[in-house]
Amino acid sequence: GAGVSQSPSNKVTEKGKDVELRCDPISGHTALYWYRQSLGQGLEFLIYFQGNSAPDKSGLPSDRFSAERTGGSVSTLTIQRTQQEDSAVYLCASSLIPGQEGGKLFFGSGTQLSVL
Amino acid sequence: DAKTTQPPSMDCAEGRAANLPCNHSTISGNEYVYWYRQIHSQGPQYIIHGLKNNETNEMASLIITEDRKSSTLILPHATLRDTAVYYCIVNAGNNRKLIWGLGTSLAVNP
Repeated sequence: GAGVSQSPSNKVTEKGKDVELRCDPISGHTALYWYRQSLGQGLEFLIYFQGNSAPDKSGLPSDRFSAERTGGSVSTLTIQRTQQEDSAVYLCASSLIPGQEGGKLFFGSGTQLSVL
Repeated sequence: DAKTTQPPSMDCAEGRAANLPCNHSTISGNEYVYWYRQIHSQGPQYIIHGLKNNETNEMASLIITEDRKSSTLILPHATLRDTAVYYCIVNAGNNRKLIWGLGTSLAVNP
């Protein structure tokens, strides 16, 4: 596709349920990022995938959060046993690597997650 | 990665130039300066980046001081659609993750 695609755009779930958020990056981009953004806040790094390397999971807030990237393309962020504090916009981005273009990220429109 | 400091908010009259400052006094020699903006309810959008020379593209101009400790993003003729939060980030490009602050909330007024 022409840009980064995320689905769903909105997700409302009940506390304790599991959710899956999907990201389809720009074709050819080897790096993929997940961030989350709470209302009025900056972006919080969650996880980073680069090619076949082990992902950088240092930003995941708890073991309820996990992500995978299949075939070097589509990524899924899974949140188990959701809590109200998980409510936020979850943003996915992709970029070319390496070099200066690696800092040029292309973002999707995000998934607004609301946990009731 | 070096941290950046930006004013929390700025105002600009429509049609005037908007000059958004950013301090990055601890920037390393191999780190670039990137600017993004985020319009309400959308993902951030890349604007421009530079290493030490001034840069210009169809969206904006980037002025980097000679000592590279600060930079200014210039929107030459601001429009209402430029109302957004603007983020300044420094990174070596071979990033594992970018560090995002709270940015500058720019309000363009008619």
